[in-house]
Amino acid sequence: GQNIDQPTEMTATEGAIVQINCTYQTSGFNGLFWYQQHAGEAPTFLSYNVLDGLEEKGRFSSFLSRSKGYSYLLLKELQMKDSASYLCAVLDSNYQLIWGAGTKLIIKP
Amino acid sequence: GAVVSQHPSRVICKSGTSVKIECRSLDFQATTMFWYRQFPKQSLMLMATSNEGSKATYEQGVEKDKFLINHASLTLSTLTVTSAHPEDSSFYICSASGLSDNSPLHFGNGTRLTVT
Repeated sequence: GQNIDQPTEMTATEGAIVQINCTYQTSGFNGLFWYQQHAGEAPTFLSYNVLDGLEEKGRFSSFLSRSKGYSYLLLKELQMKDSASYLCAVLDSNYQLIWGAGTKLIIKP
Repeated sequence: GAVVSQHPSRVICKSGTSVKIECRSLDFQATTMFWYRQFPKQSLMLMATSNEGSKATYEQGVEKDKFLINHASLTLSTLTVTSAHPEDSSFYICSASGLSDNSPLHFGNGTRLTVT
């Protein structure tokens, strides 16, 4: 079967760094996405990785290892507005998105 | 950048009526569009995959006669919730991808449906 695993909830302090991990087992791979979702809103695109390595975009970075079926989202200089759910999703061989259940990130002052 | 427009953003309807939700790709051609549904505190659930010019492929457990999907052109897909019931109240989101340029999926802003 297809499976995406990520922690249910994480807590971090404002100004700190947090890493959200995602492991996946899917039928085929056409890329991995990270989305941010605030309560009551649609997910917003953060990053897309299809090759191994680290992609940096401002305070957010995303890493992918296809051989290990592993990715992480790194958030630096955390701000209160970063409190949200972070969704990991894999595009499988049929170009369907396989979603993780999301990681709720709580930022404390 | 690529934009997906979803309309309406919010709709309230009475039980037994039908509601149509539109999803448009504004600056790219989307051969495939996806429809998702999200219940409170749960992840997005893929309902169906909509391919232009052909019948949609529904996920297991999704009633095709209740959730009618039409993908008549490369820029428009519609989801019609027929004979809506209160349990259909949810957040419906569409996404589209311009597969020819390997672009990532772009999401609409979602439609919050409330059935009274």
